[in-house]
Amino acid sequence: RKEVEQDPGPFNVPEGATVAFNCTYSNSASQSFFWYRQDCRKEPKLLMSVYSSGNEDGRFTAQLNRASQYISLLIRDSKLSDSATYLCVVNGNQFYFGTGTSLTVIP
Amino acid sequence: EAGVAQSPRYKIIEKRQSVAFWCNPISGHATLYWYQQILGQGPKLLIQFQNNGVVDDSQLPKDRFSAERLKGVDSTLKIQPAKLEDSAVYLCASSSRSWVATGELFFGEGSRLTVL
Repeated sequence: RKEVEQDPGPFNVPEGATVAFNCTYSNSASQSFFWYRQDCRKEPKLLMSVYSSGNEDGRFTAQLNRASQYISLLIRDSKLSDSATYLCVVNGNQFYFGTGTSLTVIP
Repeated sequence: EAGVAQSPRYKIIEKRQSVAFWCNPISGHATLYWYQQILGQGPKLLIQFQNNGVVDDSQLPKDRFSAERLKGVDSTLKIQPAKLEDSAVYLCASSSRSWVATGELFFGEGSRLTVL
């Protein structure tokens, strides 16, 4: 079983739409959680950390459900510049990356 | 602050040849990682160093891959001999905290390897 599983998409949404990505992880002892963003042919960059109480950064909201071992990312009012691959990352004894979910925001 | 530097950016070789990638992490970052990212997949950890010691190399194919981090600063990843399935982007990353911490990973732009 993979450490981190994500729906690879692709998600194609119109500008202004709200889109949600989900991720599950297998190791209940995992300590910390992140969402990274990777633009086409670029390196991954940290988008935001995910806290147990849920957290928000502008149009982005991340949530963690430890009981279900589930992480989510919600993007409101999608912009063209949000088009990228979003990687779910879980840190136990090392950083485990999901396959990534591809998002394309359409004008 | 300078980011993680990697070279070469692109490399094309034939199978059974050898290749080496170099990485210079952000100054002061004790932890250095090499990841392999195959097209359409997420990065997979190959090896993690803490200063010049290996923390985790459980997923490094040691029959053909080797890595070193002399003096605890820059690092080299070598593949010898290369196979077709080694075609991927090799990403180097560094972080300012130990492997048990929750620090951010800073990635270099990657070295894209094509094996023909």
